[in-house]
Amino acid sequence: DAGVIQSPRHEVTEMGQEVTLRCKPISGHNSLFWYRQTMMRGLELLIYFNNNVPIDDSGMPEDRFSAKMPNASFSTLKIQPSEPRDSAVYFCASSLWTGLKTTEAFFGQGTRLTVV
Amino acid sequence: TQLLEQSPQFLSIQEGENLTVYCNSSSVFSSLQWYRQEPGEGPVLLVTVVTGGEVKKLKRLTFQFGDARKDSSLHITAAQPGDTGLYLCAGDQTGANNLFFGTGTRLTVIP
Repeated sequence: DAGVIQSPRHEVTEMGQEVTLRCKPISGHNSLFWYRQTMMRGLELLIYFNNNVPIDDSGMPEDRFSAKMPNASFSTLKIQPSEPRDSAVYFCASSLWTGLKTTEAFFGQGTRLTVV
Repeated sequence: TQLLEQSPQFLSIQEGENLTVYCNSSSVFSSLQWYRQEPGEGPVLLVTVVTGGEVKKLKRLTFQFGDARKDSSLHITAAQPGDTGLYLCAGDQTGANNLFFGTGTRLTVIP
């Protein structure tokens, strides 16, 4: 398996533009997580899905952020409009949740977003 | 809300030295995981501890879960340059399946 695949690896955009980050989880995994990592705040959980359904989006910073998971093999994180303070590395992770305990989360290589 | 606090935040040691990293919380976790992250990559799982008081060893790394399942430690014996990286603890609260990460410890092992 190729692992969790994220695209693009790097994104530079101007303030006010829409940004879409993409993630393909590991086949067979039923949980998907979006994280944001910065030096100041560390690795923050933004939202996670179980079986394509958003379970907890309390970590989403504000209404400018939205995430979708239309099927088991694809998810997007959209920022509209983007702001310089959104600059960070965004990670997608997937896992196989049995409903009993959390199992290993497999991470993609991340998308480094720079908003100028 | 940061549920897991790690200390120290930064650690720079000489090759061959021993070190301990701590992960503390006021919350109880059903399990706790340790990950290591290298530059330009996502975190990779090292170990999962589930039972209060549990100790797991992975070569030169020893992981312990506190009796009350609120804290954990990672001890590295005879550190090597290859141990350099960001060490993250992560916990999940029972049934929640939301994996929260600690603040991280950035370790540098100098040859």
